[in-house]
Amino acid sequence: DVKVTQSSRYLVKRTGEKVFLECVQDMDHENMFWYRQDPGLGLRLIYFSYDVKMKEKGDIPEGYSVSREKKERFSLILESASTNQTSMYLCASSIGRANYGYTFGSGTRLTVV
Amino acid sequence: DAKTTQPNSMESNEEEPVHLPCNHSTISGTDYIHWYRQLPSQGPEYVIHGLTSNVNNRMASLAIAEDRKSSTLILHRATLRDAAVYYCILRDFLGNYGGATNKLIFGTGTLLAVQP
Repeated sequence: DVKVTQSSRYLVKRTGEKVFLECVQDMDHENMFWYRQDPGLGLRLIYFSYDVKMKEKGDIPEGYSVSREKKERFSLILESASTNQTSMYLCASSIGRANYGYTFGSGTRLTVV
Repeated sequence: DAKTTQPNSMESNEEEPVHLPCNHSTISGTDYIHWYRQLPSQGPEYVIHGLTSNVNNRMASLAIAEDRKSSTLILHRATLRDAAVYYCILRDFLGNYGGATNKLIFGTGTLLAVQP
């Protein structure tokens, strides 16, 4: 089975800290994605990447950046964490065709205090 | 991106079939219909997808209207483990490599409750 692994299930960080959320997939997928999920707002796309060192902004990129130095790893970076970034963060991967599903990780619940 | 409309919630009894509807009246000829579900405290899970013909897999069946403006996800015998939020999403097959057309845009989905 394809696995998408997110490095932490729960994280608590302080306001102003730089936060790294790591995601690794083991099926050589070209595309990787970061979403956040909040009650009442559903899943919203933050950033995605369709190749190593390539990235595209999603719907809510402000306050975030990403890094993809290797095909299997896609990192989400909160440059200076704020309390409104408290959320569930979900990573996903897929091959680059529309007739193929996404595989999601289990999520990282980040709390910024 | 073409939009989908789903009921906010539905209820079913265990071991009975469940039909989850989705309207996508602005679907384009190049859009695949994808379904995902999200169990409590987990990431979304791929269920099934189709383009024009009805599709079956081990998890569910997908019935697509002839005009493709609506579809129905069918769970043949609901179990308590099927209680989840079900999302119907359109994905454009022209977005073959990167680009804005290749991303999944989630709506709010249908919360399915299964009663024992």
